[in-house]
Amino acid sequence: GENVEQHPSTLSVQEGDSAVIKCTYSDSASNYFPWYKQELGKGPQLIIDIRSNVGEKKDQRIAVTLNKTAKHFSLHITETQPEDSAVYFCAATDSWGKLQFGAGTQVVVTP
Amino acid sequence: DTAVSQTPKYLVTQMGNDKSIKCEQNLGHDTMYWYKQDSKKFLKIMFSYNNKELIINETVPNRFSPKSPDKAHLNLHINSLELGDSAVYFCASSQVSGIGEQYFGPGTRLTVT
Repeated sequence: GENVEQHPSTLSVQEGDSAVIKCTYSDSASNYFPWYKQELGKGPQLIIDIRSNVGEKKDQRIAVTLNKTAKHFSLHITETQPEDSAVYFCAATDSWGKLQFGAGTQVVVTP
Repeated sequence: DTAVSQTPKYLVTQMGNDKSIKCEQNLGHDTMYWYKQDSKKFLKIMFSYNNKELIINETVPNRFSPKSPDKAHLNLHINSLELGDSAVYFCASSQVSGIGEQYFGPGTRLTVT
């Protein structure tokens, strides 16, 4: 089955700097890669997603890149703000249509 | 308007008891899910229903029984609760199964003592 690995587990950045989170996946049939943000005491919320026929997608300060050959994808947050502090999860849909999540990255943005 | 709601938000109970968690979505979605998030924040799918039919059943003990009375509701009943069942349980829904945004509820924190 699909195995999604996510690094780093924690990331501390200064406000205004960029943050990068990387994930790898194992199932070459995976074709959908969402990123979720989970704030304390809340459910995860989709922030951006990418499909396997696209290499890069951007939405304001957030961008995701996908390298299908290497089976890895990354989340880039530019000009980080304190409200970006949260746990971020990458995920990949396996060949059964199930979302397999990475272990999460705790991002702390310090003013 | 709450898109995906769960009740209760907190549930504290003793080992051996039976409890239920309810979930409702008002998005008109066809697919609903239950996820378990453990103390290390790891999120794992438990069940998925599409239009009231079970389509995903991960290797979950049969003490856990989901029920979908209609496509807007997916409840989770847990029998003979164990300490290891302590976790946050999230309900989610999506327009289609697999691909596309999943909308998560606020979670139910279950503590088994």
